[in-house]
Amino acid sequence: DAGVIQSPRHEVTEMGQEVTLRCKPISGHNSLFWYRQTMMRGLELLIYFNNNVPIDDSGMPEDRFSAKMPNASFSTLKIQPSEPRDSAVYFCASSLKQVDTEAFFGQGTRLTVV
Amino acid sequence: GENVEQHPSTLSVQEGDSAVIKCTYSDSASNYFPWYKQELGKRPQLIIDIRSNVGEKKDQRIAVTLNKTAKHFSLHITETQPEDSAVYFCAASNYGQNFVFGPGTRLSVLP
Repeated sequence: DAGVIQSPRHEVTEMGQEVTLRCKPISGHNSLFWYRQTMMRGLELLIYFNNNVPIDDSGMPEDRFSAKMPNASFSTLKIQPSEPRDSAVYFCASSLKQVDTEAFFGQGTRLTVV
Repeated sequence: GENVEQHPSTLSVQEGDSAVIKCTYSDSASNYFPWYKQELGKRPQLIIDIRSNVGEKKDQRIAVTLNKTAKHFSLHITETQPEDSAVYFCAASNYGQNFVFGPGTRLSVLP
């Protein structure tokens, strides 16, 4: 398996534009996590899914953020409209629920909103 | 929900000395406690983990201890080397879901 795959690796967009980040989890994993990493806030858990169902989205900062997981092999995190303070590295991770095992991280998407 | 605290936020040690990072968690249902290392510009990667039925685990120069009663766990790195310099994160999870990370510790190993 190629691991957790995120795209794009880098995204530069203008304030007010819609941004969509994509994630393909490891095949067979049934939990998926979206994190935001900044120097000030560290690794923040935004939302996680079990079996494609959102379980806890309490970490999503505002209504401008939304996440979907239409099937077991794909998830998106959307920001609309984007703001400069959304600039961060966004990580997707996946794990196998009900088994005490690690969460595997993707390479991350570095988002810059100008 | 779960809340994980981590101390110290920065740590500098001389090469060859030991480093200790401590974490506390709030949810008594958490049963899996991994430690991740993140090098500059890279993704976090697992270095060691411990489960709630174990009090201590060791892997070469790295060891982790867990006190479930007090809800705290620690990472110990012995004989530190310059390549150990990185940011270290502790995390708590309940049966592989809801991975919550501590704020991180920036470790610098000075030659």
